Amino acid sequence: GIQVEQSPPDLILQEGANSTLRCNFSDSVNNLQWFHQNPWGQLINLFYIPSGTKQNGRLSATTVATERYSLLYISSSQTTDSGVYFCAVALFGNQGGKLIFGQGTELSVKP
Amino acid sequence: DADVTQTPRNRITKTGKRIMLECSQTKGHDRMYWYRQDPGLGLRLIYYSFDVKDINKGEISDGYSVSRQAQAKFSLSLESAIPNQTALYFCATSEGTGGADTQYFGPGTRLTVL
Repeated sequence: GIQVEQSPPDLILQEGANSTLRCNFSDSVNNLQWFHQNPWGQLINLFYIPSGTKQNGRLSATTVATERYSLLYISSSQTTDSGVYFCAVALFGNQGGKLIFGQGTELSVKP
Repeated sequence: DADVTQTPRNRITKTGKRIMLECSQTKGHDRMYWYRQDPGLGLRLIYYSFDVKDINKGEISDGYSVSRQAQAKFSLSLESAIPNQTALYFCATSEGTGGADTQYFGPGTRLTVL
């Protein structure tokens, strides 16, 4: 089956620093989403981005579908950015729309 | 998203008990999903439903059953709970366009089986 790999697995930043999280996937996809899981366990949609670039405030994401990777950029990080960031994909022809999740990147932003 | 609600939010039960987790959505979406998350891992799909009459097994359906009572309601049951079903359970919905659309997740149910 498709493999979804995220890097780095852990990241510690000082408040105000920038970071880049990466998601590699092993097959063609028609759905890619980035989520933030906060320390209370809630999953928050960040981006639906099967291709191209999107920005939302201090966050932006780029997916290069032909090269099978996506990047999530966090600029001027804040302590509230702490938590786990997940990339999830669904395959072309997958009529169920089943998302396959990576293992996540755990981000800790220190004040 | 507040549009997807789950009850209960936390539940502690004993081995062998039957329990039901409920999910409701006000998004008007046809597709609903149940996922499970174990500590330190991503989510895995348990069951999914295209509409009231169409229910499908996911990656890890053994030990679980589901019921789609209406477009807006999708319940997950553990017929006889066991400790390794201790996990965080998420319900999700999507509009349904062959997978190429956003999935919206509920707040999760934290289940502990003693």
